[in-house]
Amino acid sequence: EVVLSESGGGVVQPGGSLRLSCAASGFTFSNYAMTWVRQAPGKGLEWVSHITGSGGTSYSADSVKGRFAISRDNSRNTLYLQMDSLGAEDTALYYCAKGMRYGSAWYTDFWGRGTLVTVSS
Amino acid sequence: AIQMTQSPSSLSASVGDRVTITCRASQDITHDLGWYQQKPGKAPKLLICGASSLQSGVPPRFSGSGSGTEFTLTISSLQPDDFANYFCLQTYTFPYSFGQGTKLEIK
Repeated sequence: EVVLSESGGGVVQPGGSLRLSCAASGFTFSNYAMTWVRQAPGKGLEWVSHITGSGGTSYSADSVKGRFAISRDNSRNTLYLQMDSLGAEDTALYYCAKGMRYGSAWYTDFWGRGTLVTVSS
Repeated sequence: AIQMTQSPSSLSASVGDRVTITCRASQDITHDLGWYQQKPGKAPKLLICGASSLQSGVPPRFSGSGSGTEFTLTISSLQPDDFANYFCLQTYTFPYSFGQGTKLEIK
């Protein structure tokens, strides 16, 4: 059974940093790309960042580029999101999701329950 | 970055109705589009990938169509379990991007 469990969320002051983690089990972690998606309270989904199975290539949304960094430790089956220079606009529930390849595209077939990040003074 | 425009933003319908949700891309994304369903307090669920390929376990009343810049999600006969939020996602090029979402409510 695929299980994704996010952690590391909390309340942080504007300009602060947080590192989110996502522990994965039930599949061969290194074989799959992984994605972070966030959802501000009462709002829609926002695609945040994607990393290949090897960790060698990653992509990020323009809204977080230069501030957030996605990474993974395949020996620990764990995905990370380092978030710096946080602002109120980053307040959201952050989901990690397992990639599913379809043709040349990546979708997400399993999701965690999310971890809440609140940026507030 | 590619912008996805989804419509309508909300929709009221009755059990048994046929409903259609549309997503338009700001540029040609061929068939690289997915549809997700999200219920309150839950993570999204992938319904369709590649514009029209139904995921395993998704009821056949759901269907997707389109290519290029215009795509539709159709539910042929609404069931009580279908009242939820729906989002499209372009997977043509990074950064990927979601549509703003459609809230499907019971009339």
